[in-house]
Amino acid sequence: AQSVSQHNHHVILSEAASLELGCNYSYGGTVNLFWYVQYPGQHLQLLLKYFSGDPLVKGIKGFEAEFIKSKFSFNLRKPSVQWSDTAEYFCAVTRGGFQKLVFGTGTRLLVSP
Amino acid sequence: DGGITQSPKYLFRKEGQNVTLSCEQNLNHDAMYWYRQDPGQGLRLIYYSQIVNDFQKGDIAEGYSVSREKKESFPLTVTSAQKNPTAFYLCASRSGRGLQETQYFGPGTRLLVL
Repeated sequence: AQSVSQHNHHVILSEAASLELGCNYSYGGTVNLFWYVQYPGQHLQLLLKYFSGDPLVKGIKGFEAEFIKSKFSFNLRKPSVQWSDTAEYFCAVTRGGFQKLVFGTGTRLLVSP
Repeated sequence: DGGITQSPKYLFRKEGQNVTLSCEQNLNHDAMYWYRQDPGQGLRLIYYSQIVNDFQKGDIAEGYSVSREKKESFPLTVTSAQKNPTAFYLCASRSGRGLQETQYFGPGTRLLVL
């Protein structure tokens, strides 16, 4: 079945630690890739997206993600996390002519001060 | 302010009752979506609409219904046939045209069954 996998369900880090959240998808062909973030009590926001071109994508708040086609991966990274990064992070993928987003199950990140 | 609004923020449903969740956007987006978010399951697509007076079932449409009579509005009805309606419901709309498009989300409605 076509799917998006986020292997880390819960991640706990101290401030200033580096972050990498994994995302793998099972589609072949051309895909569009997204990372969304949901801060406590807030609505889902777009963090970054990849459509084509440079596989290293920079997003808001110092986040970046790298698309590795051969590995079907789109991992999210941040060199130094802050307490305010505590949130739930969702990877999502679309394919085909109409944008039907398929989401991963999400990763809850807790950053301790 | 441009954006997507959802109301109410919290909604309580009694057994056997239909309830309707509101979603309005003033972004002039053609496409709108409804998702359901459950803990540990991410977001799952309920219904989507590409244009006024047209909509399609998503992955978990059973027990739900929608209408799209106006471009700005895409209400979702949770019917009594939905046996496990307690969830967080998110509405989204899509910007741009063509293949490179982004969905933007509303603040959500949390539905609880009494």
